[in-house]
Amino acid sequence: AQKITQTQPGMFVQEKEAVTLDCTYDTSDQSYGLFWYKQPSSGEMIFLIYQGSYDEQNATEGRYSLNFQKARKSANLVISASQLGDSAMYFCAMRPPPGNQFYFGTGTSLTVIP
Amino acid sequence: DSGVTQTPKHLITATGQRVTLRCSPRSGDLSVYWYQQSLDQGLQFLIQYYNGEERAKGNILERFSAQQFPDLHSELNLSSLELGDSALYFCASSGGSDNEQFFGPGTRLTVL
Repeated sequence: AQKITQTQPGMFVQEKEAVTLDCTYDTSDQSYGLFWYKQPSSGEMIFLIYQGSYDEQNATEGRYSLNFQKARKSANLVISASQLGDSAMYFCAMRPPPGNQFYFGTGTSLTVIP
Repeated sequence: DSGVTQTPKHLITATGQRVTLRCSPRSGDLSVYWYQQSLDQGLQFLIQYYNGEERAKGNILERFSAQQFPDLHSELNLSSLELGDSALYFCASSGGSDNEQFFGPGTRLTVL
């Protein structure tokens, strides 16, 4: 069964606007971690943000925040004040309790328009 | 620069061959993760080591093996290579928890 779903293959956003990238997940575990990664066209992989399932606050890292809605099993990434350098592929991932593997979504390609 | 190094950067080899990919984690990081990214399979987690011990296993084929050495560098061995093994192989390191991972630049493997 697919564990992570990213339904937006491609997204466009105007520079300086905010954008939300969707991610839903499926697990019966109570404890799990949620992750977002960025992959620019250069190919490198960059870890962006982590949310634990028991964390009460939504995770934030600079302009990135994770909108965690546990009951809906969603972990959307919000990028505020988009910059041209935000153009990249974004992957959502989930990891059930430590000792288990990571499950990745198929990614969302974000293009920031000047 | 993440502080994680991977060698080689590119590798071209033939079907049936065996290759070794190397990863040096950031100084002080005990955990190493290996990932595979291919057009067919997308991004996949292969395996994780923590301080020399295997911690988690993902979609790693039996033809693949990995280890982490006492100096904490890790090697991923791929044998009996097939065309479908052509991919970008990333390693990442962390201090021990998943909360923050630092990725190497990747090794691009092409199997001809």
